[in-house]
Amino acid sequence: EVYLVESGGGLAQPGGSLRLSCAASGFSVRNFTINWVRQPPGKGLEWVSSFNAAGVTATFADSVKGRFTISRDDAENSVHLQMNSLRAEDTAVYYCAREGTYYTRGLPYSEGYFDFWGQGASVTVSS
Amino acid sequence: SYVLTQAPSVSVAPGQTARITCGGDNLETKSVNWYQQNPGQAPVLVVYDDTDRPSGITERFSGSTSGNTATLTVSRVEAGDEADYYCQVWDSGTDQYVFGRGTKVTVL
Repeated sequence: EVYLVESGGGLAQPGGSLRLSCAASGFSVRNFTINWVRQPPGKGLEWVSSFNAAGVTATFADSVKGRFTISRDDAENSVHLQMNSLRAEDTAVYYCAREGTYYTRGLPYSEGYFDFWGQGASVTVSS
Repeated sequence: SYVLTQAPSVSVAPGQTARITCGGDNLETKSVNWYQQNPGQAPVLVVYDDTDRPSGITERFSGSTSGNTATLTVSRVEAGDEADYYCQVWDSGTDQYVFGRGTKVTVL
């Protein structure tokens, strides 16, 4: 069975840093694109970042570009979101989500939808 | 940036049909996905690629797209269907994923 578990959330000061982790079980993160999606309190969903299955492409929402980085640890079967220069507007629940992925001739292609989600990690940026 | 437009709320009586719409430019050229989110819980994929249902999702949920509008239809609505619903696409022009603002479905 597929599980995603986020950790590393908490309170950070404006300008500070936090590192979120997404631990996967039931599948290998090497074979799927993993995304981060956030939800500010009382608001809707916002895509944040993606690390593709081939491990060569990382993409970011304009709102976090240049401040957030994403990486993958195959040994831990995890994906990490490093959040720097945090702002109050980064306050949200952060979900990691697996993206549907298919393979053609051994190459992975992302399907564009998120088929499994973690339970979320809460991040609060405040002084 | 690409924008998806959803009505903030929809109300429906039990046993009736709820239709939740999502608008966007040339939406029929994109694959639309729908998520259900209950309060305090993670979103759940209920329809992907416009019309397909993941394993375990009731057939009461169905999707369609025509022109600039995608529709999630919930048939024979039950109290448990009360939730927020989000549409989502991948925008090839910006290589980014876009969500609508969500529609809160209230079962009367």
